[in-house]
Amino acid sequence: NAGVMQNPRHLVRRRGQEARLRCSPMKGHSHVYWYRQLPEEGLKFMVYLQKENIIDESGMPKERFSAEFPKEGPSILRIQQVVRGDSAAYFCASSPGEVTEAFFGQGTRLTVV
Amino acid sequence: GNSVTQMEGPVTLSEEAFLTINCTYTATGYPSLFWYVQYPGEGLQLLLKATKADDKGSNKGFEATYRKETTSFHLEKGSVQVSDSAVYFCALSDLSGGSYIPTFGRGTSLIVHP
Repeated sequence: NAGVMQNPRHLVRRRGQEARLRCSPMKGHSHVYWYRQLPEEGLKFMVYLQKENIIDESGMPKERFSAEFPKEGPSILRIQQVVRGDSAAYFCASSPGEVTEAFFGQGTRLTVV
Repeated sequence: GNSVTQMEGPVTLSEEAFLTINCTYTATGYPSLFWYVQYPGEGLQLLLKATKADDKGSNKGFEATYRKETTSFHLEKGSVQVSDSAVYFCALSDLSGGSYIPTFGRGTSLIVHP
């Protein structure tokens, strides 16, 4: 059973470009969470999705950021018109249900130049 | 809302020393509690968990006991190794604002010297 797969592992974008981060959850997992991690800081919750539904996006900036988890295919975190402050490691986690442990991918390290 | 507070790091120890990383939590319900470990450049890996009061989670020589009366879940290891150097995150999963979202502490960096 493959783990949570994130790609790309590293992504470099120029200011103003779009960044697309992909996450394939573990087989059988229908809950997906996205977190952002800045150096020397903890994990900041961004968004919680189930198949075709956004359950909670209270941690996601209102502008430029969006997320989806379609019926088929990976979950996508999309950042439009990136700025230097978006540079961070973005982690996806999945779980088979609520109140169970989350399994993490290896993250996508976004660098905005 | 839910929150997790961990002791600030870095924690620096010599090999074979005793480790304690403190973690306390605030939750609206009855949470499950977790410790995760993150090695450099990697994602988080589950280290251990406990789902009810007085449960002890253990793995690889690490252990933590769910203390409801003190709302704590301190991580301990009797004899650390250089390979234990990593960042450790305490976390809980509980109903918050109508949904279950794993909530993490800020992480505690552990550095073990030979």
